[in-house]
Amino acid sequence: EVQLVESGGGLVQPGRSLRLSCAASGFTFDDYAMHWVRQAPGKGLEWVSGISWNSGSIGYADSVKGRFTISRDNAKNSLYLQMNSLRGEDTALYYCGKDLGGAPTRGFDYWGQGTLVTVSS
Amino acid sequence: QSALTQPASVSGSPGQSITISCTGTSSDVGSYNLVSWYQQHPGKAPKLMIYEDSERPSGVSNRFSASKSGNTASLTISGLQPEDEADYYCCSYASSSTLVFGGGTKLTVL
Repeated sequence: EVQLVESGGGLVQPGRSLRLSCAASGFTFDDYAMHWVRQAPGKGLEWVSGISWNSGSIGYADSVKGRFTISRDNAKNSLYLQMNSLRGEDTALYYCGKDLGGAPTRGFDYWGQGTLVTVSS
Repeated sequence: QSALTQPASVSGSPGQSITISCTGTSSDVGSYNLVSWYQQHPGKAPKLMIYEDSERPSGVSNRFSASKSGNTASLTISGLQPEDEADYYCCSYASSSTLVFGGGTKLTVL
């Protein structure tokens, strides 16, 4: 059974940093691209970032480019999102998603339950 | 990276069919066969309903179908059931390892 478990969310002040993690199990992690998708309270889904199976292809939404960094550790079956210079508009539930393929292009066939990030003073 | 355009809401009666549109540009929806659709019930994670424009994952009801013409993709739900009431999102690959979602459509089953 595929499982994606996010962690690392919490309350953080504007301008500070936070690192999210996603622990994957139930599939061959290093065969698939992975993504972060967020959803602000009461709002729609927003794609944040994606990374290919070998970290060779990485993309970011314009809204986080230069502030967020996605990475993965295939030996630990884990995905990460380093979030710097956080803003109030980054407040959201952050989902980890598994891509259908090895490149971050095809969409998400499995999702975690999300970790909540609240940016507020 | 502009969001794809979806109607904010659609509605239908049980047994009827509805269609949700998703309009992008020639840089995303119109350039790749990589549109996917997701269903999200309140408080739940999204669920993949369609991938690669019109492919249905195993386990998804054949009442869900999708198509694309030019820069507009469409999701059709036939034989509406109460449990279909949810938010629906389209998503497209948009080049350079980026993806973009639509704003979402709230489906109400009357």
